Formats: sequence, C-alpha cells, structure tokens
Amino acid sequence: DQQVKQNSPSLSVQEGRISILNCDYTNSMFDYFLWYKKYPAEGPTFLISISSIKDKNEDGRFTVFLNKSAKHLSLHIVPSQPGDSAVYFCAASALRGADGLTFGKGTHLIIQP
Amino acid sequence: DTEVTQTPKHLVMGMTNKKSLKCEQHMGHRAMYWYKQKAKKPPELMFVYSYEKLSINESVPSRFSPECPNSSLLNLHLHALQPEDSALYLCASSQNRYEQYFGPGTRLTVT
Repeated sequence: DQQVKQNSPSLSVQEGRISILNCDYTNSMFDYFLWYKKYPAEGPTFLISISSIKDKNEDGRFTVFLNKSAKHLSLHIVPSQPGDSAVYFCAASALRGADGLTFGKGTHLIIQP
Repeated sequence: DTEVTQTPKHLVMGMTNKKSLKCEQHMGHRAMYWYKQKAKKPPELMFVYSYEKLSINESVPSRFSPECPNSSLLNLHLHALQPEDSALYLCASSQNRYEQYFGPGTRLTVT
C-alpha cells in the first residue's frame, strides 16, 4: 500500500518557466513532509520541508505548499533551470521522523532549454 | 557541513562472502538510518539508530546486521546475501529527527 504517491513519473518543463511537482499521501499520522532531489548514482539531497502546522514554506526558488484537508502537497520551482533536471522524491514522516521517512516513487523532472 | 560519507562506493561480493558497509557523519546528529534502494524505486527504510541504540528494524533479514560503534559511525555487516539484495544502500543522519541528510550510497552487487 503506497502511503506517499507521486502520480507523475516524469515532467518536462521549459527553462525559465515554473515546475510544479505533486504528491499525495494517505496516512493521517504524517506530520512532516520533505522534498529531495536525486541524481543518478548519488544519494538524495534535501531540498525543503514543511511541518503539518504550516501551509507554505519558501526557500529561494523552491516553495512547498501543503493542503492537509486534501492530503496533498506540491513543490514549485521558479524559474526552472537546467540544473534542476533530476528525480524529485516526496517524503513524509510521522512522530517527527521517529520511524524514518516514507518516500514516494519519484518524479523525473526534465528542464528543456 | 551536512556531509555524510559512505564507503565503499561500489562493492561486488559473492553469496558466501562477509563484508561491511560503513557510514560516518560529524554533524553531531543523534539518529542514523540505513535505507535500501532498488533501481527505479524509492528508498526503503531498513534500520533506525537513535542515540546509538537500534530503535527500528523494518523486518530486515538477519543476513543484514547493523552496528553503531559510536555516535558518528554506522556499519552494516553483510553475510550470505542473495543476488536480489543487489541495490544502492543509503545511510542518512538527522538531528531532532526532522530533515535527514543522505550519503552518496554504496552500490552493492551480489554475484
């Protein structure tokens, strides 16, 4: 049973435009959400996170939005740059990460020049 | 400094071998994790250490044996593995169990 879902395996966006990556979750106990970026043959790199008590967190070009009632979060990247091309994983934790992270399957973002 | 280091980067081992994966962090983090990632799949949690004590074992087979010698080091001892155990093994650490910082991983191939 997939508790964290990323329904788009890939997304292609033109350089300079906004990239929007989506994530849904089913476990109501999740209270912390994170986005990671991963290049092939490397470990995931932490990007941005959000606590369930907030609905938005921003860090430079990256903004994460959380809609608790819909159990949905999204990552906005603006403007998109070629170096943003990577696989993006949505992850969630319950009890403040005490039981590790549950990852979605990832979305491969391709930024086209 | 948010660096987690892992050695070796690549490992090829036979099914009768014994080998160990090593992970190190110097960020003062008190929780450390092992994850396994198969190709085109998300990372899956294997073990969690909190304050050098094993707090979670996600029903991992006994051929994988974790060890936390001190707060900076985490080992994963491997014995009698199967070809299906071939994967990228990721170590992570965190402070206050929020953001986890991952190492580059060890690419393990079991022949």
